Amino acid sequence: DAGITQSPRYKITETGRQVTLMCHQTWSHSYMFWYRQDLGHGLRLIYYSAAADITDKGEVPDGYVVSRSKTENFPLTLESATRSQTSVYFCASRLGQGAGEKLFFGSGTQLSVL
Amino acid sequence: SQQGEEDPQALSIQEGENATMNCSYKTSINNLQWYRQNSGRGLVHLILIRSNEREKHSGRLRVTLDTSKKSSSLLITASRAADTASYFCAAMDSNYQLIWGAGTKLIIKP
Repeated sequence: DAGITQSPRYKITETGRQVTLMCHQTWSHSYMFWYRQDLGHGLRLIYYSAAADITDKGEVPDGYVVSRSKTENFPLTLESATRSQTSVYFCASRLGQGAGEKLFFGSGTQLSVL
Repeated sequence: SQQGEEDPQALSIQEGENATMNCSYKTSINNLQWYRQNSGRGLVHLILIRSNEREKHSGRLRVTLDTSKKSSSLLITASRAADTASYFCAAMDSNYQLIWGAGTKLIIKP
């Protein structure tokens, strides 16, 4: 049951390059999220989307851009990658905004910026 | 940064023993959720406890919530090697945003 898939699984890039991380979900969940995970910080929210064409900033949005033209896709773009953006990135989805809704996570993209 | 707090940061126990992890948060919440992360993988939802609940069970998992102390605990009974993972709490605030703890790394020794 793929559910939510991220690609690529691993990515190495250089400072200043543009990088796009892909996220695709098959459940038609309304909400999608992008998190980064760094040692000692747990998960930090970058951007989220409540529906197609509706996106909003999270805790650490600087240097990132998102779009959501279709419900099932939520790509994350690093416009000009910096070393501080080296991290593991997780995409997640949620059916709705109800208080009982749990998140479903992708397997993550490990990004290294050299 | 609105991070929750978890303790201990790391926990190593013998197989068959019980493991207890604690979580604290700072805001009013709708619910508190616990997730597990195996090394190199995404997080998997374990259990959710609503703000009007005090205790909840799911298999070998027992979660408690004390909203007056803004704290929660996760107990895993009769631990197994497969329970080795990192465990994260996430408090859902009044805006339906999740506030994550930094996680507890649990190691089960055979």
